[in-house]
Amino acid sequence: QIQLVQSGPELKKPGESVKISCKASGYTFTDYAMHWVKQVPGKGLKWMGWINTYTGKPTYADDFKGRFVFSLEASASTANLQISNLKNEDTANVFCARCIRGTGYYWYFDFWGPGTMVTVSS
Amino acid sequence: EIVLTQSPTTMAASPGEKVTLNCLASSSVSYMNWYQQKSGASPKLWIYGTSNLASGVPNRFSGSGSGTSYSLTISSMEAEDVATYYCLQLSSYPLTFGSGTKLEIK
Repeated sequence: QIQLVQSGPELKKPGESVKISCKASGYTFTDYAMHWVKQVPGKGLKWMGWINTYTGKPTYADDFKGRFVFSLEASASTANLQISNLKNEDTANVFCARCIRGTGYYWYFDFWGPGTMVTVSS
Repeated sequence: EIVLTQSPTTMAASPGEKVTLNCLASSSVSYMNWYQQKSGASPKLWIYGTSNLASGVPNRFSGSGSGTSYSLTISSMEAEDVATYYCLQLSSYPLTFGSGTKLEIK
C-alpha cells in the first residue's frame, strides 16, 4: 500500500538548520511529483512548493525562496526539505504530499505524510 | 495569485441537516479539490476534479461548481463529518488553499 513516512519532530534554536525527510513506498517514486505544505498550529494550510522526482527540479512558492531547499534521494525513494537560518515563524507542521494527475485535466494531492512538527525556540 | 475565500468560516449543523460549504476564487479556475482534516491528523483527499469523491468518501458528500464558485455539500450531516474542510486549486501557480471551514455538530 502507498505510504509516505516522515521524519520525527524537531526542536531547534533560531539560526539553526533542519532537514525533514519524506520516504515513499508502495509506488514508483519517480512517477509522481512531491509537494510540501506548511501548517502553523491552529491555522490553515500553505503550499511551499514541489519537486519533480524524475528530474530533481524544485519549484518554490515566493514565501519559501532562499532558506528552503527541496532535494531527493531517489535511490531511497525519499524527498527532503532543508530549512536554514531558522526563525520563530518557521514553527509549523510540515507535510509532504504526492501529486497525481486524474483521468482528465485535473491534478490533486492523493496521499499525504503524517507531518513533521518543527519547533523553533530559543 | 488566486485567492480562495471559504464560507462560512465556522458552522454547526444538526444530525441529518443538509450542509453546504463554499469556496470562491478570485479568478476563474478549471476545477477544485477538497480536503478533510480532523484534529491532529494530516489532510485527506475528499473531492477531486470538482465533483469526484475520493475512495471511501460517503456518498452523502457531493461537489459542484465552475469558474470562480465551488461548493461541497453534505446531504445529511453525521457526527463523523466534524472536521475542517479546505479547498485547493491547482489551476495556476502558486497553488493556493482556502482558509478552511470548521464544521461542528449541534
